[in-house]
Amino acid sequence: AQSVAQPEDQVNVAEGNPLTVKCTYSVSGNPYLFWYVQYPNRGLQFLLKYITGDNLVKGSYGFEAEFNKSQTSFHLKKPSALVSDSALYFCAVRPPSSNTGKLIFGQGTTLQVKP
Amino acid sequence: NAGVTQTPKFQVLKTGQSMTLQCAQDMNHNSMYWYRQDPGMGLRLIYYSASEGTTDKGEVPNGYNVSRLNKREFSLRLESAAPSQTSVYFCASSGTDSLRRGNTIYFGEGSWLTVV
Repeated sequence: AQSVAQPEDQVNVAEGNPLTVKCTYSVSGNPYLFWYVQYPNRGLQFLLKYITGDNLVKGSYGFEAEFNKSQTSFHLKKPSALVSDSALYFCAVRPPSSNTGKLIFGQGTTLQVKP
Repeated sequence: NAGVTQTPKFQVLKTGQSMTLQCAQDMNHNSMYWYRQDPGMGLRLIYYSASEGTTDKGEVPNGYNVSRLNKREFSLRLESAAPSQTSVYFCASSGTDSLRRGNTIYFGEGSWLTVV
């Protein structure tokens, strides 16, 4: 079955330190990968996506993600965390066979950045 | 820049009542979706519409119906609400690219539904 896993329910990091939010996927073929962020009582906001090309993708608010095909991972990173980065983060995958555009989501990881 | 607009924002229903969640997008997108979000389960697809005039079941369609009224609007109906349908509902839409695979999905702000 096609799936996405975010192995950490919560990630805690001090402001100014680098952060990583992990994501692994199980999809046949070359997937299309996405990261979204959700602030409290708000909708999901698009951060970045990997379609093809360079394995390092840069997105909004200083975030980036690295696609690793051999490890089937797409971890979200930021060199220096801000308190305002505290939110719920979702990884999502679109299987290459999909012709409908729908995404499969991970269960989400709460990022807590402390001053 | 309205994007995806959904109403109502909050709703409390009694078991057995019916209601319709409304959604509209102004980005000329072909595809529209309804997801539900439950703690620890991420987002699960209820129904989607790949293009105007078509609708298909997603992962959790039971207890719901949808209507793609036109290219802009995609409504979700609960015919007989149950407590298990207490959730946050998100409408979303994506791209004009016919290949669809690289299109970003854009989400509305959510509808908080409680069934008592």
